[in-house]
Amino acid sequence: GAGVSQSPSNKVTEKGKDVELRCDPISGHTALYWYRQSLGQGLEFLIYFQGNSAPDKSGLPSDRFSAERTGGSVSTLTIQRTQQEDSAVYLCASSPYPGYNSPLHFGNGTRLTVT
Amino acid sequence: AQKVTQAQTEISVVEKEDVTLDCVYETRDTTYYLFWYKQPPSGELVFLIRRNSFDEQNEISGRYSWNFQKSTSSFNFTITASQVVDSAVYFCALSEAGTGANNLFFGTGTRLTVIP
Repeated sequence: GAGVSQSPSNKVTEKGKDVELRCDPISGHTALYWYRQSLGQGLEFLIYFQGNSAPDKSGLPSDRFSAERTGGSVSTLTIQRTQQEDSAVYLCASSPYPGYNSPLHFGNGTRLTVT
Repeated sequence: AQKVTQAQTEISVVEKEDVTLDCVYETRDTTYYLFWYKQPPSGELVFLIRRNSFDEQNEISGRYSWNFQKSTSSFNFTITASQVVDSAVYFCALSEAGTGANNLFFGTGTRLTVIP
């Protein structure tokens, strides 16, 4: 079946521009996560959506970062006025239900390069 | 303090050798799950296994085996007779009882390189 889909797979942008990254989770999955993975680093939590609840934005590194999830499905992560330190792979994951025993299903990520 | 520690940043082994990836976790919860994920060069993290805190039975799946020991707060992963396709970054994760993202913690990963 279809997995988590992320687009674009690669994005090169100039410093100061805005970018939008898209995540299409597995159909029916209620929980959606965004993570950032810098070169050679672990996963940095950014934001978490669960159903219609208010998202957990505690991981967003600055107010230049925001995310939406429309209709409980597709999510968009927006980075405004990009900086070089934003260069990383942005990973999206979904899970079928909230809860500590639910494994995450990850997409292939979007590699963002800010020049 | 790190909730999940993967002390081995990088490991290299020669094909057919056995290798163990260490994972030590820290939690005050009595109810939690532990996970291992594999991230091959293609980038997508793939779920390998989960184990709940009440089940200390070791698990074997083909060449993969996992050793869960609550006494040492460890959940180690062993690959037997390693193959080149095992080359990847492996992440251990802890999920404490709850339903929020603040209950989920990843280690920093161990990069395994299997040399042919």
